[in-house]
Amino acid sequence: NAGVTQTPKFQVLKTGQSMTLQCAQDMNHNSMYWYRQDPGMGLRLIYYSASEGTTDKGEVPNGYNVSRLNKREFSLRLESAAPSQTSVYFCASSQVQGPEAFFGQGTRLTVV
Amino acid sequence: SQQGEEDPQALSIQEGENATMNCSYKTSINNLQWYRQNSGRGLVHLILIRSNEREKHSGRLRVTLDTSKKSSSLLITASRAADTASYFCATDSSYKLIFGSGTRLLVRP
Repeated sequence: NAGVTQTPKFQVLKTGQSMTLQCAQDMNHNSMYWYRQDPGMGLRLIYYSASEGTTDKGEVPNGYNVSRLNKREFSLRLESAAPSQTSVYFCASSQVQGPEAFFGQGTRLTVV
Repeated sequence: SQQGEEDPQALSIQEGENATMNCSYKTSINNLQWYRQNSGRGLVHLILIRSNEREKHSGRLRVTLDTSKKSSSLLITASRAADTASYFCATDSSYKLIFGSGTRLLVRP
């Protein structure tokens, strides 16, 4: 069981470039989440998907878009990267209504 | 702003001592969870307490929940150096899982 897999693990972008962070889970979970974590801070919710075919904004959605491609995959896209988006990005999944969430190992993104 | 706020932000204790960290939140919840994060890695679930529960135990972990005060506490007893990590509370409402700012725990050998 791989759990939650994120790719890539590291990425450096130039300001204005675009990229897509990929996330896949093999636990048949309905809910998936994207978070960002800045140094010394907690996790802030960017977008979430309560079920296949639905997505909703979280606390800090500006500058990001998401796609719930199917039940397994939930991608996060940065259309025009900015230095303020330098962060560690975590994808997570859970069943609906609140049992534990399982996290990927994170993507460390630097925008220069 | 984040739903949960932990207190203290940082805690340093000697191995064998107990560690207590607190979490306050703002809105009604279905449940409250505690997670652990080792140095920049993904979070790992520790324990969940439902809104109709007041206390829960799991091994060396004890969690309390006071919904009237919108607060929770996590107690780690007989701490070990391996408990050194950041600890986060997370609240679940309306399908969103919102995390607090975390407590950084250092357990000195």
